[in-house]
Amino acid sequence: ETAVFQTPNYHVTQVGNEVSFNCKQTLGHDTMYWYKQDSKKLLKIMFSYNNKQLIVNETVPRRFSPQSSDKAHLNLRIKSVEPEDSAVYLCASSYRDFNYAEQFFGPGTRLTVL
Amino acid sequence: QQKVQQSPESLSVPEGGMASLNCTSSDRNFQYFWWYRQHSGEGPKALMSIFSDGDKKEGRFTAHLNKASLHVSLHIRDSQPSDSALYFCAASEQGGQGGRALIFGTGTTVSVSP
Repeated sequence: ETAVFQTPNYHVTQVGNEVSFNCKQTLGHDTMYWYKQDSKKLLKIMFSYNNKQLIVNETVPRRFSPQSSDKAHLNLRIKSVEPEDSAVYLCASSYRDFNYAEQFFGPGTRLTVL
Repeated sequence: QQKVQQSPESLSVPEGGMASLNCTSSDRNFQYFWWYRQHSGEGPKALMSIFSDGDKKEGRFTAHLNKASLHVSLHIRDSQPSDSALYFCAASEQGGQGGRALIFGTGTTVSVSP
């Protein structure tokens, strides 16, 4: 049963455009994450957010920015997309202070940059 | 280079057979491990966690951890076609506590043939 929702499922855009992806979780978790899965299926963390505070920010290009309105929502904005941004973007959530917290993933948003 | 390496890259198993997957970390800070499974078109889903040396069994799945060698394995007994998926080993420093992101391995594609 899906509890982490992502929109849109797919997005095709041109180089230089701005895109925004949405993520919502209904699990009551207090921490949310964005991961990037590339064409080789490698999964890498991009950001994590806890109580509206960015707590992990890996070395991603500045054109990427996470945006959160509350602990149930974490969006991802990409200004001026580039071809290497083509990937599947996966949102996840977990409890921050719960021991051994499992992360729950959404179905992903597939971005294609032409 | 990936801090969490998996082998083999892909694996074919007959229905009812045993699948064995391996994972090794190159970072001694990673002491907590998860196995995630990702079916095509979906996000990863946690199968099981293992944080102590030795074996942990959950149904048809058995994980084994050797912290000294930073090696963890997953064995799938009585493999079913529905087990066909991409399997990830994931590691963290604190078992997910504190909102720490997971570091995912390179992945193993398992194909179970009827």
